[in-house]
Amino acid sequence: DVKVTQSSRYLVKRTGEKVFLECVQDMDHENMFWYRQDPGLGLRLIYFSYDVKMKEKGDIPEGYSVSREKKERFSLILESASTNQTSMYLCASSSPTGAKKLFFGSGTQLSVL
Amino acid sequence: GENVEQHPSTLSVQEGDSAVIKCTYSDSASNYFPWYKQELGKGPQLIIDIRSNVGEKKDQRIAVTLNKTAKHFSLHITETQPEDSAVYFCAASMDYGGATNKLIFGTGTLLAVQP
Repeated sequence: DVKVTQSSRYLVKRTGEKVFLECVQDMDHENMFWYRQDPGLGLRLIYFSYDVKMKEKGDIPEGYSVSREKKERFSLILESASTNQTSMYLCASSSPTGAKKLFFGSGTQLSVL
Repeated sequence: GENVEQHPSTLSVQEGDSAVIKCTYSDSASNYFPWYKQELGKGPQLIIDIRSNVGEKKDQRIAVTLNKTAKHFSLHITETQPEDSAVYFCAASMDYGGATNKLIFGTGTLLAVQP
């Protein structure tokens, strides 16, 4: 089974801190995604990547950046965390061929105080 | 861009009853419509999907229907069981057959199956 692992289940940070959320997948998938999940808003795409060192903005990229130095790892960076970035963050991966199925990690619940 | 609306936001049914969740999409170019189930404490997991060249697809107790003219698609769960309790998300995308599979998700439906 594909495994997408997010480094932390819960994270508490202070306003203004630089925050790194890490995601690793073990299926050699080219595509990786970061979503944010908020009640009543569903899943919103922050950034995605089709290949190493490649990134594209999703629907809500403001306040975030990403890094993909290795194929299996996709990092989400909050340069200066703010309280409105308190949310559940979900990482996903997929293969560009086949059924387009997204495989999600279990999520990181980030609280910014 | 694409916009996906999902209703209802919460749904409570008795065990054994059927449940229906409905979504509408705005972009007539969308041609791929998956449904994801998210159990408590877990990430969403694909349960069924449909492409625009098909009107209905079934997998045991779940089925998805698509009306391209009205830009509606629905998830049907029959003979509901307590383990069906979860949050369900619909999504839409344009599948060009290449690398792109940027999904636009609905806002989710919390389904509670009462024993």
